[in-house]
Amino acid sequence: DGGITQSPKYLFRKEGQNVTLSCEQNLNHDAMYWYRQDPGQGLRLIYYSQIVNDFQKGDIAEGYSVSREKKESFPLTVTSAQKNPTAFYLCASTPPGIAGDTINEQFFGPGTRLTVL
Amino acid sequence: GQNIDQPTEMTATEGAIVQINCTYQTSGFNGLFWYQQHAGEAPTFLSYNVLDGLEEKGRFSSFLSRSKGYSYLLLKELQMKDSASYLCAVMDSNYQLIWGAGTKLIIKP
Repeated sequence: DGGITQSPKYLFRKEGQNVTLSCEQNLNHDAMYWYRQDPGQGLRLIYYSQIVNDFQKGDIAEGYSVSREKKESFPLTVTSAQKNPTAFYLCASTPPGIAGDTINEQFFGPGTRLTVL
Repeated sequence: GQNIDQPTEMTATEGAIVQINCTYQTSGFNGLFWYQQHAGEAPTFLSYNVLDGLEEKGRFSSFLSRSKGYSYLLLKELQMKDSASYLCAVMDSNYQLIWGAGTKLIIKP
């Protein structure tokens, strides 16, 4: 079945450690996104990538890094520079096309809940 | 700045109808999305509006007025499984989604 997978579902990290969250999709989507969700807040965009080997900062990119070496994969690294990393992280992708008949809905993975101890 | 406003929480009775409102102020407009998110899970797509008017899809309908910067999601014949958060998101002129904080809907028997 086609879809987006994120691993792990729960992740615990000690302060000062970097950690990488995995996101893989087999939907053949070009664009991929990373969001952070905190209680009582909307989804906030961390990074996005429209094509392989290219990515752009979102609204809250500080303390995070990404790579897009393959179309299927868009891993997110939460670095020790991120001051408050405990949150629910969601990866999403969209099919090709940005206008006209394409609705361009975002498809989400199941999320990773990161807790810093 | 860009802003999406939704009520924080609403309560409704099983079998009833509920309307969840969303107002927005964004840099450009390329469509409005409604998503459903159960606690601890990923959002799932419900509806998309880009033109004014009502889009109906089974028990769920979504309305848009671009001139008023306003949308609502209408849920009919409420079921217990409809207890979830409902997220409103607007695609701006850069084709980026701006998200509201979500409305937590509580369904009572």
